[in-house]
Amino acid sequence: GENVEQHPSTLSVQEGDSAVIKCTYSDSASNYFPWYKQELGKRPQLIIDIRSNVGEKKDQRIAVTLNKTAKHFSLHITETQPEDSAVYFCAALYQKVTFGIGTKLQVIP
Amino acid sequence: DTAVSQTPKYLVTQMGNDKSIKCEQNLGHDTMYWYKQDSKKFLKIMFSYNNKELIINETVPNRFSPKSPDKAHLNLHINSLELGDSAVYFCASSQTYYEQYFGPGTRLTVT
Repeated sequence: GENVEQHPSTLSVQEGDSAVIKCTYSDSASNYFPWYKQELGKRPQLIIDIRSNVGEKKDQRIAVTLNKTAKHFSLHITETQPEDSAVYFCAALYQKVTFGIGTKLQVIP
Repeated sequence: DTAVSQTPKYLVTQMGNDKSIKCEQNLGHDTMYWYKQDSKKFLKIMFSYNNKELIINETVPNRFSPKSPDKAHLNLHINSLELGDSAVYFCASSQTYYEQYFGPGTRLTVT
């Protein structure tokens, strides 16, 4: 089955700096790669996703890149703000969704 | 206008008891899921139903039994609760396996 590795598990950045979270997946058939943000005590919510026929997607301060050959994808957050502090999950999907272990991002004001 | 709702939000019970968690979605989605999130925040899929049919059944003790009376509802019944069952359980729904909409979660504490 699919295996998704995510790192780092924790990340602290100064407000205004960029944050990068990386994921690798094992099943080359995976074709959809969402990123979810989970604030403390809340539900996970989709923030951005990318499909296998696209290499990069951007939405304001967040962007995702996908390298299908290397089977890895990354989340980039620029100009981080304290409200970006949360746990971020990557996931890969073929017939079912497999989540990474999550990255706890702390943005220090 | 709640998209995915779960009840109860909190559940505290003793070992050996049987409990149920209910989930409802009003998004018209065909697929619903149950996830378990442990204390380390790891999200693990337990079950998935598509149009009331079980399509994913991960390695979960058979004390856990999902039931889908219709495609808008997916309930989770847990028999003989154990300490290790303590976690947050999320229901989710999606259309054609893509973006998943999560419910607010049910925090289960087994004492």
